[in-house]
Amino acid sequence: DIVMTQSPDSLALSLGERATINCKSSQSVLYTSNNRNYLAWYQQKPGQSPKLLISWASVRESGVPARFSGSGSGTDFTLTISDLQSEDVAVYYCLQHYSLWTFGQGTKVEIK
Amino acid sequence: QVTLKESGPTLVKPTQTLTLTCTYSGVSGDTSGMGVGWIRQSPGKALEWLALVFWGDFKPSNPSLQSRLAITRDISKNQVVLTMTDVGPADTATYSCVHWSGYSFDSWGRGILVTVSS
Repeated sequence: DIVMTQSPDSLALSLGERATINCKSSQSVLYTSNNRNYLAWYQQKPGQSPKLLISWASVRESGVPARFSGSGSGTDFTLTISDLQSEDVAVYYCLQHYSLWTFGQGTKVEIK
Repeated sequence: QVTLKESGPTLVKPTQTLTLTCTYSGVSGDTSGMGVGWIRQSPGKALEWLALVFWGDFKPSNPSLQSRLAITRDISKNQVVLTMTDVGPADTATYSCVHWSGYSFDSWGRGILVTVSS
């Protein structure tokens, strides 16, 4: 089983600051035949279902603000929220779908 | 547009079998890489994938729960049914039906909160 570990568990930042969320997989989620990382990022706001932000580790979904970006490859990934806004308060999850599906434990982002 | 709706009991007793039904619409049934499945979230906890049925009829389930889970599809009714045996308090969670697009869980039902208690 692939285990996904996020860090930190929570972070509180001021409006306009940069948020960096890390996600580490217990084994590589890079499929070498197509050079794709089977890693996605989701945002879950209170009382709502998760929303896909980033697919294939770095491809931003249509309609997702440009301040959200994903990077990384293999086993180490990062979700960056530049210029943090009040509407970004949420829990963020990484998800691997290289071998079945496993979510990270989530990172709660709050405004200081 | 894909819509998914969960139905089933909201309260079950320990050791009982939980049966949840997902009724879907707008789902393309002719692409083997797509499917419908279930994800749960215990109160204040992380998301946990449970099981999924691909349209090619492959039915993977979470290895940690595999012995207790079964997932079936009724094409004539546009339904996917999840069965979980021998439930306990740790199975108290919101269970959500999800659509797998081939690279993302792109549609989610509203979820159904199931409480396991005597």
